[in-house]
Amino acid sequence: DIVITQSPDSLAVSLGERATINCKSSQSVLHSSNNKNYLAWYQQKPGQCPKLLIYWASARESGVPDRFSGSGSGTDFTLTISSLQPEDVAVYYCQQYYTTPGGTFGQGTKLEIK
Amino acid sequence: QVQLVESGGGVVQPGRSLRLSCSASGFTFSSYAMHWVRQAPGRGLEWVTLISFDENNKYYADSVKGRFTISRDNSKNTLYLHMNSLRAEDTAVYYCARDVGDGDYFRYWGQGALVTVSS
Repeated sequence: DIVITQSPDSLAVSLGERATINCKSSQSVLHSSNNKNYLAWYQQKPGQCPKLLIYWASARESGVPDRFSGSGSGTDFTLTISSLQPEDVAVYYCQQYYTTPGGTFGQGTKLEIK
Repeated sequence: QVQLVESGGGVVQPGRSLRLSCSASGFTFSSYAMHWVRQAPGRGLEWVTLISFDENNKYYADSVKGRFTISRDNSKNTLYLHMNSLRAEDTAVYYCARDVGDGDYFRYWGQGALVTVSS
């Protein structure tokens, strides 16, 4: 089974500053058949369902602000929020969907305002 | 607009059964595979089960295999999760989620149904 490990577990960033969350997979999630990384990022606010932010490691979901970006390939990935806004306080999860069905999720990273 | 609405959650004793429902609207339900994903209180997300659009294929996480059964009624646009032999560790919010068709990432989620297994 592919194990997904996020770092850090929690993060405090000042408003307007950059926030970076890392996601490491125990095996590559880059599929050789289509050269796509099977990696997604979600945002979850208290009492709400997760919201898809990024898929295929770097494709931004429609309606997601462009301050959110995803990067990386193979086993190492990053979610970057370029300028933190108050509404970005949430828990962020990455998910590998290379192994089907369902894939596996990271343990989550809690993002707060410093 | 895609909408998924779960129902049927509640408090149940260990060893008992419970059925969750997920009512779908805003898309052609019979054309999409559907998933259940759960989240234990204060914990992360765990994929639970998948059913194909035509109900011919079903898959389960090892943690629920043999105890949970996924089903659907395409005439009623409804997804079900039948949970038997419930354990304390099954306590979670259960979300239904629609398959996107090109990978098991989840664009559409319900609001979730809380299942609490406790004596």
